[in-house]
Amino acid sequence: DIQMTQSPSSVSASVGDRVSITCRASEAIAWLAWYQEKPGKAPKLLIYATSRLQTGVPSRFSGSGSGTDFTLTISGLQPEDSATYYCQQADTIPLTFGGGTNVEIK
Amino acid sequence: QVQLRQSGPGLVRPSQTLSLTCAVSGASISRGGSCWSWIRRPAGRSLEWIGRICTSGTTNYNPSLKSRLIMSVDTSKSQLSLRVTSVTAADTAVYYCVIEALGYFYYMDVWGEGTTVTVSS
Repeated sequence: DIQMTQSPSSVSASVGDRVSITCRASEAIAWLAWYQEKPGKAPKLLIYATSRLQTGVPSRFSGSGSGTDFTLTISGLQPEDSATYYCQQADTIPLTFGGGTNVEIK
Repeated sequence: QVQLRQSGPGLVRPSQTLSLTCAVSGASISRGGSCWSWIRRPAGRSLEWIGRICTSGTTNYNPSLKSRLIMSVDTSKSQLSLRVTSVTAADTAVYYCVIEALGYFYYMDVWGEGTTVTVSS
Protein backbone atom coordinates (compact mmCIF):
# COMPACT_ATOMS: atom_id res chain seq x y z
CA ASP A 1 0.00 0.00 0.00
CA ILE A 2 1.10 3.58 -0.64
CA GLN A 3 1.61 5.38 2.66
CA MET A 4 0.61 9.04 2.83
CA THR A 5 2.29 11.22 5.46
CA GLN A 6 0.96 14.68 6.23
CA SER A 7 2.72 17.48 8.02
CA PRO A 8 2.23 19.27 10.22
CA SER A 9 -0.34 17.32 12.23
CA SER A 10 -1.73 20.61 13.46
CA VAL A 11 -1.25 24.30 12.74
CA SER A 12 -2.57 27.45 14.38
CA ALA A 13 -2.73 30.60 12.28
CA SER A 14 -4.43 33.98 12.17
CA VAL A 15 -7.12 35.17 9.81
CA GLY A 16 -5.48 36.31 6.60
CA ASP A 17 -2.40 34.11 6.99
CA ARG A 18 -1.11 31.79 4.33
CA VAL A 19 -1.16 28.15 5.46
CA SER A 20 0.57 25.26 3.71
CA ILE A 21 0.03 21.59 4.39
CA THR A 22 2.36 18.98 2.98
CA CYS A 23 1.56 15.42 1.95
CA ARG A 24 4.33 12.95 1.13
CA ALA A 25 3.72 9.64 -0.60
CA SER A 26 5.85 6.56 0.07
CA GLU A 27 6.31 6.20 -3.69
CA ALA A 28 5.77 8.44 -6.67
CA ILE A 29 2.14 9.06 -7.59
CA ALA A 30 0.47 11.08 -10.30
CA TRP A 31 -2.85 11.98 -8.71
CA LEU A 32 -3.87 13.39 -5.38
CA ALA A 33 -6.96 14.81 -3.69
CA TRP A 34 -7.50 17.05 -0.68
CA TYR A 35 -10.53 17.00 1.62
CA GLN A 36 -11.81 19.26 4.37
CA GLU A 37 -13.61 17.77 7.35
CA LYS A 38 -15.48 19.72 10.01
CA PRO A 39 -16.74 18.23 13.28
CA GLY A 40 -19.90 16.20 12.82
CA LYS A 41 -19.85 16.59 9.05
CA ALA A 42 -18.72 14.36 6.22
CA PRO A 43 -15.49 15.26 4.45
CA LYS A 44 -15.72 17.60 1.49
CA LEU A 45 -13.67 17.35 -1.70
CA LEU A 46 -11.60 20.50 -2.19
CA ILE A 47 -8.96 19.59 -4.77
CA TYR A 48 -8.76 16.70 -7.24
CA ALA A 49 -6.21 15.66 -9.81
CA THR A 50 -3.58 17.37 -7.64
CA SER A 51 -4.47 20.95 -8.55
CA ARG A 52 -8.05 21.15 -9.86
CA LEU A 53 -10.43 23.11 -7.66
CA GLN A 54 -13.75 21.39 -7.04
CA THR A 55 -16.80 23.42 -8.07
CA GLY A 56 -17.85 25.85 -5.40
CA VAL A 57 -14.57 25.76 -3.46
CA PRO A 58 -13.10 29.23 -2.80
CA SER A 59 -10.12 30.18 -4.90
CA ARG A 60 -7.98 30.75 -1.79
CA PHE A 61 -7.48 26.98 -1.78
CA SER A 62 -4.87 25.62 -4.18
CA GLY A 63 -3.01 22.37 -4.70
CA SER A 64 0.36 21.63 -6.22
CA GLY A 65 3.10 19.05 -6.34
CA SER A 66 4.35 16.02 -8.17
CA GLY A 67 6.14 12.75 -7.57
CA THR A 68 6.08 12.17 -3.84
CA ASP A 69 5.56 15.69 -2.50
CA PHE A 70 2.31 17.63 -2.61
CA THR A 71 1.00 20.79 -0.98
CA LEU A 72 -2.35 22.28 -0.09
CA THR A 73 -2.18 26.04 0.34
CA ILE A 74 -4.80 28.30 1.87
CA SER A 75 -4.04 31.88 0.84
CA GLY A 76 -5.80 34.24 3.21
CA LEU A 77 -7.10 32.00 5.99
CA GLN A 78 -10.74 32.58 6.94
CA PRO A 79 -12.56 31.63 10.16
CA GLU A 80 -14.62 29.04 8.29
CA ASP A 81 -11.43 27.23 7.25
CA SER A 82 -11.01 25.84 10.75
CA ALA A 83 -11.13 22.10 10.03
CA THR A 84 -9.11 18.94 9.54
CA TYR A 85 -7.60 18.43 6.10
CA TYR A 86 -6.75 15.08 4.53
CA CYS A 87 -4.83 14.13 1.44
CA GLN A 88 -5.64 10.97 -0.52
CA GLN A 89 -3.67 9.27 -3.25
CA ALA A 90 -5.79 8.50 -6.29
CA ASP A 91 -3.25 6.37 -8.14
CA THR A 92 -3.41 2.85 -6.84
CA ILE A 93 -5.82 0.48 -5.16
CA PRO A 94 -6.09 0.42 -2.19
CA LEU A 95 -6.71 4.14 -2.02
CA THR A 96 -5.05 5.62 1.04
CA PHE A 97 -5.35 8.79 3.09
CA GLY A 98 -2.95 10.89 5.07
CA GLY A 99 -3.26 11.18 8.81
CA GLY A 100 -4.88 14.59 8.71
CA THR A 101 -3.86 18.15 9.60
CA ASN A 102 -5.90 20.16 12.06
CA VAL A 103 -6.06 23.85 11.16
CA GLU A 104 -6.97 26.12 14.04
CA ILE A 105 -7.68 29.84 13.92
CA LYS A 106 -5.81 31.89 16.51
CA GLN B 1 -28.27 17.33 -6.84
CA VAL B 2 -27.23 13.84 -5.86
CA GLN B 3 -27.93 12.88 -2.27
CA LEU B 4 -26.98 9.79 -0.32
CA ARG B 5 -29.01 8.66 2.67
CA GLN B 6 -27.42 5.98 4.80
CA SER B 7 -29.11 3.52 7.12
CA GLY B 8 -28.09 0.63 9.31
CA PRO B 9 -27.75 -0.47 12.92
CA GLY B 10 -25.56 1.53 15.23
CA LEU B 11 -24.62 -1.50 17.32
CA VAL B 12 -23.35 -4.84 16.07
CA ARG B 13 -22.29 -7.79 18.20
CA PRO B 14 -18.77 -9.21 17.75
CA SER B 15 -18.54 -12.00 15.15
CA GLN B 16 -21.82 -10.86 13.57
CA THR B 17 -22.30 -9.18 10.20
CA LEU B 18 -22.46 -5.40 9.78
CA SER B 19 -24.98 -4.38 7.11
CA LEU B 20 -25.35 -0.84 5.79
CA THR B 21 -27.39 0.58 2.94
CA CYS B 22 -27.08 3.83 1.05
CA ALA B 23 -30.07 5.20 -0.87
CA VAL B 24 -29.23 7.31 -3.91
CA SER B 25 -31.47 10.16 -5.01
CA GLY B 26 -31.11 12.99 -7.48
CA ALA B 27 -29.38 10.83 -10.08
CA SER B 28 -29.82 7.43 -11.63
CA ILE B 29 -27.88 4.76 -9.81
CA SER B 30 -27.50 3.09 -13.19
CA ARG B 31 -25.80 6.10 -14.76
CA GLY B 32 -23.00 4.80 -16.90
CA GLY B 33 -19.51 5.22 -15.57
CA SER B 34 -20.62 5.71 -11.98
CA CYS B 35 -18.63 4.26 -9.10
CA TRP B 36 -19.26 4.33 -5.38
CA SER B 37 -16.85 3.84 -2.54
CA TRP B 38 -17.30 2.98 1.10
CA ILE B 39 -14.98 4.71 3.53
CA ARG B 40 -14.73 4.54 7.31
CA ARG B 41 -13.06 6.51 10.06
CA PRO B 42 -12.35 4.76 13.34
CA ALA B 43 -12.47 7.07 16.35
CA GLY B 44 -9.26 9.03 16.71
CA ARG B 45 -7.85 7.72 13.46
CA SER B 46 -7.72 8.75 9.84
CA LEU B 47 -9.95 7.76 6.95
CA GLU B 48 -9.76 4.21 5.61
CA TRP B 49 -10.96 3.24 2.15
CA ILE B 50 -13.00 0.03 2.30
CA GLY B 51 -13.80 -0.67 -1.33
CA ARG B 52 -15.72 0.42 -4.41
CA ILE B 53 -18.30 -0.82 -6.87
CA CYS B 54 -19.13 0.52 -10.33
CA THR B 55 -22.06 0.30 -12.71
CA SER B 56 -19.74 -1.62 -15.02
CA GLY B 57 -19.68 -4.41 -12.46
CA THR B 58 -16.14 -3.65 -11.37
CA THR B 59 -15.46 -4.08 -7.68
CA ASN B 60 -12.26 -3.28 -5.83
CA TYR B 61 -11.75 -4.13 -2.19
CA ASN B 62 -9.12 -3.11 0.32
CA PRO B 63 -6.96 -6.24 0.69
CA SER B 64 -6.98 -5.76 4.45
CA LEU B 65 -10.74 -6.33 4.48
CA LYS B 66 -11.38 -8.23 1.26
CA SER B 67 -12.15 -11.63 2.79
CA ARG B 68 -14.94 -10.11 4.90
CA LEU B 69 -16.54 -7.71 2.42
CA ILE B 70 -19.59 -7.94 0.22
CA MET B 71 -20.69 -4.92 -1.82
CA SER B 72 -23.71 -4.75 -4.08
CA VAL B 73 -25.93 -2.39 -6.03
CA ASP B 74 -29.72 -2.80 -6.20
CA THR B 75 -30.85 -0.72 -9.17
CA SER B 76 -34.54 -1.46 -8.52
CA LYS B 77 -34.26 0.19 -5.11
CA SER B 78 -31.61 2.70 -6.15
CA GLN B 79 -29.42 1.73 -3.26
CA LEU B 80 -26.00 0.40 -2.40
CA SER B 81 -25.19 -2.15 0.24
CA LEU B 82 -22.15 -2.98 2.31
CA ARG B 83 -21.75 -6.08 4.41
CA VAL B 84 -18.77 -6.76 6.65
CA THR B 85 -18.71 -10.22 8.16
CA SER B 86 -17.13 -11.47 11.40
CA VAL B 87 -16.80 -8.00 12.90
CA THR B 88 -14.58 -7.15 15.83
CA ALA B 89 -14.06 -4.02 17.91
CA ALA B 90 -11.58 -2.87 15.26
CA ASP B 91 -14.53 -2.38 12.90
CA THR B 92 -16.02 0.28 15.15
CA ALA B 93 -16.08 3.45 13.04
CA VAL B 94 -18.12 6.04 11.22
CA TYR B 95 -18.97 4.56 7.83
CA TYR B 96 -19.58 6.67 4.72
CA CYS B 97 -20.91 5.84 1.29
CA VAL B 98 -19.52 8.12 -1.38
CA ILE B 99 -20.05 8.79 -5.06
CA GLU B 100 -16.81 9.11 -6.96
CA ALA B 101 -16.42 12.05 -9.31
CA LEU B 102 -17.83 11.14 -12.70
CA GLY B 103 -15.01 10.88 -15.17
CA TYR B 104 -12.44 11.25 -12.40
CA PHE B 105 -12.38 7.93 -10.65
CA TYR B 106 -11.00 7.56 -7.16
CA TYR B 107 -11.99 11.08 -6.11
CA MET B 108 -14.68 11.14 -3.42
CA ASP B 109 -17.19 13.69 -4.67
CA VAL B 110 -20.49 13.37 -2.77
CA TRP B 111 -20.59 11.87 0.71
CA GLY B 112 -23.40 10.39 2.74
CA GLU B 113 -23.99 11.74 6.22
CA GLY B 114 -22.15 8.84 7.83
CA THR B 115 -23.32 6.03 10.08
CA THR B 116 -21.69 5.45 13.44
CA VAL B 117 -21.24 1.74 14.02
CA THR B 118 -20.11 0.31 17.33
CA VAL B 119 -19.07 -3.32 17.66
CA SER B 120 -19.70 -4.42 21.22
CA SER B 121 -21.33 -7.18 23.17
